[in-house]
Amino acid sequence: EIVMTQSPATLSVSPGERATLSCRASQYVSTNLAWYQQNPGQAPRLLIYGTSTRATGVPARFSGSGSGTDFTLTISSLQSEDFAVYYCQQYNNWPPWTFGQGTKVEIK
Amino acid sequence: VQLLESGGGLVQPGGSLRLSCAASGFTFSSYAMSWVRQAPGKGLEWVSSISGRGGSTYSVDSVKGRFTISRDNSENTLYLQMNSLRAEDTAIYYCAKDLSPTGAVAAHFDYWGQGTLVTVSS
Repeated sequence: EIVMTQSPATLSVSPGERATLSCRASQYVSTNLAWYQQNPGQAPRLLIYGTSTRATGVPARFSGSGSGTDFTLTISSLQSEDFAVYYCQQYNNWPPWTFGQGTKVEIK
Repeated sequence: VQLLESGGGLVQPGGSLRLSCAASGFTFSSYAMSWVRQAPGKGLEWVSSISGRGGSTYSVDSVKGRFTISRDNSENTLYLQMNSLRAEDTAIYYCAKDLSPTGAVAAHFDYWGQGTLVTVSS
């Protein structure tokens, strides 16, 4: 099983600032990596797949990068609606398909 | 696209529940579907997936032999039969649609339902 490790657990950022979230896989996952956003009480929302492809309707301020075992989600200028929990997920080696434990982006 | 889960509730340890997910707005049989759960205050955990035609299924080890995923493409409905429920199965269960229209399970999800809460407690 591939273990996905996200850091930091909590990221405190001021509105308008950049946020950088990290995700590391315990084994090689190529670029088969997705990012999801989850707001309190809501279902997750797909942001990024294939490491760097934005899902339909996702603003350009969200970008993904990386390959192999190390990945990054960058939010270039945080808006109020971006304060949420973010999960990475690998879909290269399966089953099981595995998620990271999440990074909470909170208002500084 | 709409995914509407139902069937959750309070059940005693050892009991059973059947979750349903009614899908609309897309060609259901063209997409693999999955169940993903989230324990209270915890992260996301993939539970089970099924291919578009239902010929391939996969489940996480912790539910193998207890949970069964199935689908009825004539009714555009996904199911999760849960038997021998344990306290650690307590979670919100989300139905999720695969991004890829190939029908094979790729298990990265572009649409999610709002979830149904399963509570296992005596």
